[in-house]
Amino acid sequence: AQKITQTQPGMFVQEKEAVTLDCTYDTSDPSYGLFWYKQPSSGEMIFLIYQGSYDQQNATEGRYSLNFQKARKSANLVISASQLGDSAMYFCAMRPIIQGAQKLVFGQGTRLTINP
Amino acid sequence: DTEVTQTPKHLVMGMTNKKSLKCEQHMGHRAMYWYKQKAKKPPELMFVYSYEKLSINESVPSRFSPECPNSSLLNLHLHALQPEDSALYLCASSQGTGFPPGYGYTFGSGTGLTVV
Repeated sequence: AQKITQTQPGMFVQEKEAVTLDCTYDTSDPSYGLFWYKQPSSGEMIFLIYQGSYDQQNATEGRYSLNFQKARKSANLVISASQLGDSAMYFCAMRPIIQGAQKLVFGQGTRLTINP
Repeated sequence: DTEVTQTPKHLVMGMTNKKSLKCEQHMGHRAMYWYKQKAKKPPELMFVYSYEKLSINESVPSRFSPECPNSSLLNLHLHALQPEDSALYLCASSQGTGFPPGYGYTFGSGTGLTVV
């Protein structure tokens, strides 16, 4: 079974500051993928960044980076130079890397508010 | 075309009504998913279709009936719903074969359902 834990229900950050959203996970799968999604008030789940369990380097996508510490089972999202448009719900998610359609398991989410 | 389109965006229905939610993608993805999301909660998987066949049913009540007429289209038929079924219903798709790093699911914007 897989489990994702996001311990920060809400975070408030000043515009232009960096912010780290925490995510820890538990799984018995030998290979897995970790994802971060952003969900604004409009409802759409927007893919931000992906990290494979066997990837040697931490993933980066523009202002987003993933601080992956496999031994600690953590996959924190770092947003640099935050913007007002970053205010949204953020979900960490995981799925096993095996053939076929697989369930994506989500954490409880963190609501991020960027203050001007 | 790199998106998943869901219609309608909003739906209000009575407990005796029959309605359908529609989801369409033209990315060649062979796996499609229905998720239910209550307010301030993470999405919860309902159904998975792989190559147009139902592969996962997460013990969803029979008042929800999924259908996959072809590889691009996914429907969710609703009948005799309860007020507690009010939620955001998200559709998603993925490659479904192997695991292309970095892309996971593509989500639609969702249908906001209110049962009165």
